[in-house]
Amino acid sequence: DAGVTQSPTHLIKTRGQQVTLRCSPKSGHDTVSWYQQALGQGPQFIFQYYEEEERQRGNFPDRFSGHQFPNYSSELNVNALLLGDSALYLCASHEGPVYEQYFGPGTRLTVT
Amino acid sequence: SQKIEQNSEALNIQEGKTATLTCNYTNYSPAYLQWYRQDPGRGPVFLLLIRENEKEKRKERLKVTFDTTLKQSLFHITASQPADSATYLCALESSNTGKLIFGQGTTLQVKP
Repeated sequence: DAGVTQSPTHLIKTRGQQVTLRCSPKSGHDTVSWYQQALGQGPQFIFQYYEEEERQRGNFPDRFSGHQFPNYSSELNVNALLLGDSALYLCASHEGPVYEQYFGPGTRLTVT
Repeated sequence: SQKIEQNSEALNIQEGKTATLTCNYTNYSPAYLQWYRQDPGRGPVFLLLIRENEKEKRKERLKVTFDTTLKQSLFHITASQPADSATYLCALESSNTGKLIFGQGTTLQVKP
């Protein structure tokens, strides 16, 4: 049973560009959350998707948007990249009532 | 304002000793608290969950306590091993939303 997968593993972009990160949840999970983790910090909640809709959102600007597909996979889009967007982006999935979340390996985004 | 704080300094202990990590929070009333382990460049891995009506939870060499009066959780690793070296994150779930709020993590180094 595959766990949470994310792609790509690493990405280098230039300031002002746009990026799309992808996530496939653990089998049987219907809810996907995205987190941003800066170096030396804990993950920060970006948003959560359930039934193809954004259900919760953290304190992130509208440049951060997402999507969930019928197969529960999800994308995170970031527009007009800033140097400060450089971080590890984590996807986590869970099912039903919220207990433990299963995290993917993350995508390391570097903005130059 | 709401805060979750963990020991910011790294914890260095000798193999075989008990490691104790602290998580304090303010202005939250969490239904439960979770602990995760994170290795460098990897996603967090769920370890333990403790509910507000539970004082203590154990899993093998791990023990978590939860004091809702003190607004504190303690995470213990007994008979520590070098393989336990990692960053440990505590997380609260905000108002049954599935939105996890993480502390900044404490890095544990176990020396042989």
